[in-house]
Amino acid sequence: NAGVTQTPKFQVLKTGQSMTLQCAQDMNHEYMSWYRQDPGMGLRLIHYSVGAGITDQGEVPNGYNVSRSTTEDFPLRLLSAAPSQTSVYFCASSRDTSRHGYTFGSGTRLTVV
Amino acid sequence: KQEVTQIPAALSVPEGENLVLNCSFTDSAIYNLQWFRQDPGKGLTSLLLIQSSQREQTSGRLNASLDKSSGRSTLYIAASQPGDSATYLCAVPLSRLTFGEGTQLTVNP
Repeated sequence: NAGVTQTPKFQVLKTGQSMTLQCAQDMNHEYMSWYRQDPGMGLRLIHYSVGAGITDQGEVPNGYNVSRSTTEDFPLRLLSAAPSQTSVYFCASSRDTSRHGYTFGSGTRLTVV
Repeated sequence: KQEVTQIPAALSVPEGENLVLNCSFTDSAIYNLQWFRQDPGKGLTSLLLIQSSQREQTSGRLNASLDKSSGRSTLYIAASQPGDSATYLCAVPLSRLTFGEGTQLTVNP
């Protein structure tokens, strides 16, 4: 049982490049979400999804796109990378938004130069 | 809007000491509260999930309590070890998961 799998673990991008951070879970969780973690800012919600075909914005959605075509996968797309997007990104899943515990992936450390 | 506060922000103790980490939240309409551990440069590991119907939840040397009416939770670590050194985060799900800022724990040999 793999839980939540994030790839890649590390990535360096040049300003203006685009890329997709992958997140997959094998627990049949309906709820999936993306967070970024920055020193002094804690964990901030970027986007979330309550099921396949449904996505919504979190606290800091600008510069990021998501889609949810399957229950298992929730990729995060950086459209045109900026140095301000240098961060550690975590994907999390749960059976729902509030009644069950959350499982987190191991993170993607992204540097934009 | 749910706000979560953790006290203290940092804690340094000698090995073997029992310690308490505190978490408070403003909206008590919650179903559960989750404690996580994060090692430097690593992801979040779930330690304990305590349901609102429970008063306490235990796992090994860890014990978490939850008092919804007062908006407080505590994480008790017994007989601390250097391997317990990490940042401990509490998180409360409502419409979204809201985290505290964390307590950075250092256990000195």
